[in-house]
Amino acid sequence: IAGITQAPTSQILAAGRRMTLRCTQDMRHNAMYWYRQDLGLGLRLIHYSNTAGTTGKGEVPDGYSVSRANTDDFPLTLASAVPSQTSVYFCASSETSRSSYNEQFFGPGTRLTVL
Amino acid sequence: GQNIDQPTEMTATEGAIVQINCTYQTSGFNGLFWYQQHAGEAPTFLSYNVLDGLEEKGRFSSFLSRSKGYSYLLLKELQMKDSASYLCVPIDSNYQLIWGAGTKLIIKP
Repeated sequence: IAGITQAPTSQILAAGRRMTLRCTQDMRHNAMYWYRQDLGLGLRLIHYSNTAGTTGKGEVPDGYSVSRANTDDFPLTLASAVPSQTSVYFCASSETSRSSYNEQFFGPGTRLTVL
Repeated sequence: GQNIDQPTEMTATEGAIVQINCTYQTSGFNGLFWYQQHAGEAPTFLSYNVLDGLEEKGRFSSFLSRSKGYSYLLLKELQMKDSASYLCVPIDSNYQLIWGAGTKLIIKP
């Protein structure tokens, strides 16, 4: 693989169910990010990880959790999905998070619908 | 607070030139990205400015004035495939990218 992959591509989920969105990158980037994008709106940061073993909260972290056990993988878990979590979820990575030039590369996104 | 101001939508003709303006207010400043996002797809990198002036990259150019909190993206020789949203993304003092809703550009034949 080259770049960032996300799985699944899309998912319809019943409210109250647990769901993990997967994200894997092969660029050996230190920093990874999870965003959500609602229709017609900008990206909102959910959680981020500056390096393997560390995570941080973004702008809209409630209802979501992440882990960063290694450099490549950064899964996002919805413990108990609610309809307001219906959105497109993008995973991104950058070489570092502590530089003025930290271009973020994005995965193709996961379209999640919670009913 | 942190704020980005771009037109919501613009329309231009194939083959023409269009300029998308962006003003921003951030807590500190560490540069500015422009990203392109086609409908239903992920954002992709277009340009990066950290110093004042113009950066040219093929049909696309980006300009920055730090003192005015202003940037623009100039697209020349417009093609139908340029129909997309264009996102002005400043970087704040914590190196966090600040994302707005962007400008939806519609190209007509």
